[in-house]
Amino acid sequence: NAGVTQTPKFRVLKTGQSMTLLCAQDMNHEYMYWYRQDPGMGLRLIHYSVGEGTTAKGEVPDGYNVSRLKKQNFLLGLESAAPSQTSVYFCASTPSGGLSYNEQFFGPGTRLTVL
Amino acid sequence: EDKVVQSPLSLVVHEGDTVTLNCSYEVTNFRSLLWYKQEKKAPTFLFMLTSSGIEKKSGRLSSILDKKELFSILNITATQTGDSAIYLCAVKYNFNKFYFGSGTKLNVKP
Repeated sequence: NAGVTQTPKFRVLKTGQSMTLLCAQDMNHEYMYWYRQDPGMGLRLIHYSVGEGTTAKGEVPDGYNVSRLKKQNFLLGLESAAPSQTSVYFCASTPSGGLSYNEQFFGPGTRLTVL
Repeated sequence: EDKVVQSPLSLVVHEGDTVTLNCSYEVTNFRSLLWYKQEKKAPTFLFMLTSSGIEKKSGRLSSILDKKELFSILNITATQTGDSAIYLCAVKYNFNKFYFGSGTKLNVKP
């Protein structure tokens, strides 16, 4: 049981380049989330998904797109990277019920630098 | 505007001290409040609180929620260097969304 995994762990991009971050979970969770964490700002929600085929915007969605084609995967895309998107990105998942339904399970994070 | 505010932003103590971390919130459709510990990587879950006045305890850590005054505290007694981390407070609201505070950075010196 790997939990929540993220690929890649590190990435350096040039301004204007595109990339996709992959999040995968093997816990059969319904809800998945993408956050960014900047120094002194805690975690801010970018996009989230309440189930396969559905996505919704969070607090800071501009410049990002997401897709949830399979229940276990949640992809975060940057179409044209900007230096302001330099951050650590965390994926998380939550079950829809059961004892852990209030808890978020986090991936290890992806450190992205945009030059 | 919804917000979760943690204080202090940072704290330096010596081993053996007791610390109290604060989290106040103004969030529509509150469901629960969660505390996380973040060392070098992903946050790890500590407590989930839904009812006022009921203390949650795990070893040297304890937490309580006041839904009337809209705040929670996290206490750590007899601190150790391994307690050094960022402590995050999060509020679950609406159906299944979470709003995080900016965190309190705790540094425990030997």
